[in-house]
Amino acid sequence: GENVEQHPSTLSVQEGDSAVIKCTYSDSASNYFPWYKQELGKRPQLIIDIRSNVGEKKDQRIAVTLNKTAKHFSLHITETQPEDSAVYFCAAWTGGGNKLTFGTGTQLKVEL
Amino acid sequence: NAGVMQNPRHLVRRRGQEARLRCSPMKGHSHVYWYRQLPEEGLKFMVYLQKENIIDESGMPKERFSAEFPKEGPSILRIQQVVRGDSAAYFCASSPKSSMNTEAFFGQGTRLTVV
Repeated sequence: GENVEQHPSTLSVQEGDSAVIKCTYSDSASNYFPWYKQELGKRPQLIIDIRSNVGEKKDQRIAVTLNKTAKHFSLHITETQPEDSAVYFCAAWTGGGNKLTFGTGTQLKVEL
Repeated sequence: NAGVMQNPRHLVRRRGQEARLRCSPMKGHSHVYWYRQLPEEGLKFMVYLQKENIIDESGMPKERFSAEFPKEGPSILRIQQVVRGDSAAYFCASSPKSSMNTEAFFGQGTRLTVV
């Protein structure tokens, strides 16, 4: 299978709180998992990624964890700020590397 | 490095006309992917191309849509006889190699409106 499922579809947090977005994948051959941030009317931008040889990766306020056995990975944003408000997509290479399959997206809203 | 370049940024076509969308990958990238995004929806894979070859077109509609990536010049996504349902943002991404372990970067997209 080549499905990537993402939850929740919408997430509203208070400024300064943490946000967690979770994804599961079905292609056991997948070994690279990027996260993209898309602001309204703009392109998806790569914000962080993780490869299957590590379980966690952190870049300032953003971290990603991967559980390859359970086939799920998560995005963690700490100390959220209003500029973090956007749609976030997880993805995984599937189809033998022929395509990045995306999750359905999470609309994150950081409220003041 | 100018990044992935798409043009036009906005395209308006009347029903029945043809739409041509162009994508120039990042320098050094020879793998191009096209995605379609309907309003307030996710990114749906359409086609994967390398120079002069279509590798995977499993996401392409069977009719009216075609794609190419010639030896010289940009990749082209062509939609013939457009209908209102074709209105969407079309994004192109490129990567440097064929691998399940490589980064892909997106262009700014072409927003197609069919009137």
